[in-house]
Amino acid sequence: SAVISQKPSRDICQRGTSLTIQCQVDSQVTMMFWYRQQPGQSLTLIATANQGSEATYESGFVIDKFPISRPNLTFSTLTVSNMSPEDSSIYLCSVGQGGNEKLFFGSGTQLSVL
Amino acid sequence: TQLLEQSPQFLSIQEGENLTVYCNSSSVFSSLQWYRQEPGEGPVLLVTVVTGGEVKKLKRLTFQFGDARKDSSLHITAAQPGDTGLYLCAGAPIGTYKYIFGTGTRLKVLA
Repeated sequence: SAVISQKPSRDICQRGTSLTIQCQVDSQVTMMFWYRQQPGQSLTLIATANQGSEATYESGFVIDKFPISRPNLTFSTLTVSNMSPEDSSIYLCSVGQGGNEKLFFGSGTQLSVL
Repeated sequence: TQLLEQSPQFLSIQEGENLTVYCNSSSVFSSLQWYRQEPGEGPVLLVTVVTGGEVKKLKRLTFQFGDARKDSSLHITAAQPGDTGLYLCAGAPIGTYKYIFGTGTRLKVLA
């Protein structure tokens, strides 16, 4: 299994500001995934972060709004830029193991935008 | 586009009752996973089913993968308050590596 540390665990932010979420894994992984979970809903994949290349974004998500860094095989950041109240969600990072048949998650970042 | 539909969306039952949660798709998956998520935590993997028709048991939980690998079910026997949580199925459609998650089933077991 993989142990994932994500921070901050929660934050309250003002409209128009940006927040960077950090994700640290206790082992080297090829792909890291960033998900968004809106209140009371399931998880939606934002992007896949590969070390040494640009992140791959899903439909509806763009790099200008959600820039991602992946400087090495154990770390990634997701920035939520120019926030609005609609960005209030839980953001989760995840890694896959066993041929990506098992996903492990951080405990998430609860973001509230005022 | 949401490819994994779960039913029911919400379920509130008394301790000791049985329940079944369904996960359906029009896509074929190489495997499907079931996760449980509790408030303030990320989802935790319960099981992975790989072979069409496969049945896996985890204590009081029974998981089944459809023969065509397009659907799955989770059956809980004699539910307990500790089973309360959000249950999510997930999988990567064949030909992709990206996991998508089902719409979720929020279960509450009353003592």
